[in-house]
Amino acid sequence: GENVEQHPSTLSVQEGDSAVIKCTYSDSASNYFPWYKQELGKGPQLIIDIRSNVGEKKDQRIAVTLNKTAKHFSLHITETQPEDSAVYFCAADPTDSWGKLQFGAGTQVVVTP
Amino acid sequence: DAGVIQSPRHEVTEMGQEVTLRCKPISGHDYLFWYRQTMMRGLELLIYFNNNVPIDDSGMPEDRFSAKMPNASFSTLKIQPSEPRDSAVYFCASSRVVSSYEQYFGPGTRLTVT
Repeated sequence: GENVEQHPSTLSVQEGDSAVIKCTYSDSASNYFPWYKQELGKGPQLIIDIRSNVGEKKDQRIAVTLNKTAKHFSLHITETQPEDSAVYFCAADPTDSWGKLQFGAGTQVVVTP
Repeated sequence: DAGVIQSPRHEVTEMGQEVTLRCKPISGHDYLFWYRQTMMRGLELLIYFNNNVPIDDSGMPEDRFSAKMPNASFSTLKIQPSEPRDSAVYFCASSRVVSSYEQYFGPGTRLTVT
């Protein structure tokens, strides 16, 4: 089955700097890669996703890149703000098991003023 | 839309008791998922439904866990009997067929079994 590894587990950045979280996956058949943000006491919320036919996607201050050859994808947050502090999860969706997202272990991002 | 609604938000119970968690998906969403989140194991998919029918329950840990979806707007996850190792946050999520893959999570139920 699919296995997703996420790094780093914690990330501390100064406000205004950039943050990068990286994930690798094992199943080359996976074709959908969402990123979720989870704030304290809340459920995960989809912030951006990318499909295998696209190499990069951007939405304001966040962007995701995908390298299918190397089987890794990354989340980039620019000009970080205190409200970006949260746990971020990457996930991969194997084509043979629709909806059974395999989540990474999560990255605790702390943005310090 | 109110989003996915879960109740209760917090549940504290004693070992051996029955626990029922409830979920109301977003109206119009045909898929419903139950997840469990712990520090040790992260986010785990327990079971998911399509049009009220269970599709995959391979993530259900053991026979003590059961889930039902009697109609399109309501689902339950039951644990009987509960054990301390069941302590976790349980999330319900839903998604639309046409907007494939986007899953919308509820706020979760924090379960503590003493």
